[in-house]
Amino acid sequence: QLQLQESGPGLVKPSETLSLTCTVSGGSISSSSYYWGWIRQPPGKGLEWIGSIYYSGSTYYNPSLKSRVTISVDTSKNQFSLKLSSVTAADTAVYYCARDWITGTTRASTAFDIWGQGTMVTVSS
Amino acid sequence: QSVLTQPPSVSAAPGQKVTISCSGSSSNIGNNYVSWYQQLPGTAPKLLIYDNNKRPSGIPDRFSGSKSGTSATLGITGLQTGDEADYYCGTWDSSLSAVFGTGTKVTVL
Repeated sequence: QLQLQESGPGLVKPSETLSLTCTVSGGSISSSSYYWGWIRQPPGKGLEWIGSIYYSGSTYYNPSLKSRVTISVDTSKNQFSLKLSSVTAADTAVYYCARDWITGTTRASTAFDIWGQGTMVTVSS
Repeated sequence: QSVLTQPPSVSAAPGQKVTISCSGSSSNIGNNYVSWYQQLPGTAPKLLIYDNNKRPSGIPDRFSGSKSGTSATLGITGLQTGDEADYYCGTWDSSLSAVFGTGTKVTVL
């Protein structure tokens, strides 16, 4: 059974870079039909997609975060990672990694079908 | 700032039915498939519906989805106390990004 697990610091200082890794177990990150995504949820608020990556390295990013986000993949470790630069208190959130399933033949059909448990990241000095 | 609008809350008695709307535009729902997620308190979201109206294995048929034009709807019949959760719609947008709805809290009276 495929599982995802986020890891990384729970506290980041303002203006620094937030770095998280998602480890995929029980299956290969190199599977076709799947991207791998990051989604965050500020306390008491809704879900915000950050970006997704294919095992080949192809990426999609949220336009509102694109200038600060880098998502990378390491197929040898079955992991993908998130870096968010110049963080502020507004970046405080639970960060989830999830499998971004292309259910059809194009991005028009997509769903996040498997999620990690999430990790809380607080931005504070 | 989500581009998909949902009612903040809906409620009904046990055994009754609730529907949750998700309103978008031709840039997202109108030309893409919709998914729905259930988020129980303190847990990660769970996929309930994909491709507008399909249920993943293990999701009971009490949950249903539909789409018409630039709006989508999630229905929950035979409401149970365990259905109390936040529900989110999601889809792809022409800005080449995934988008989620504002979220709806379901309360079982």
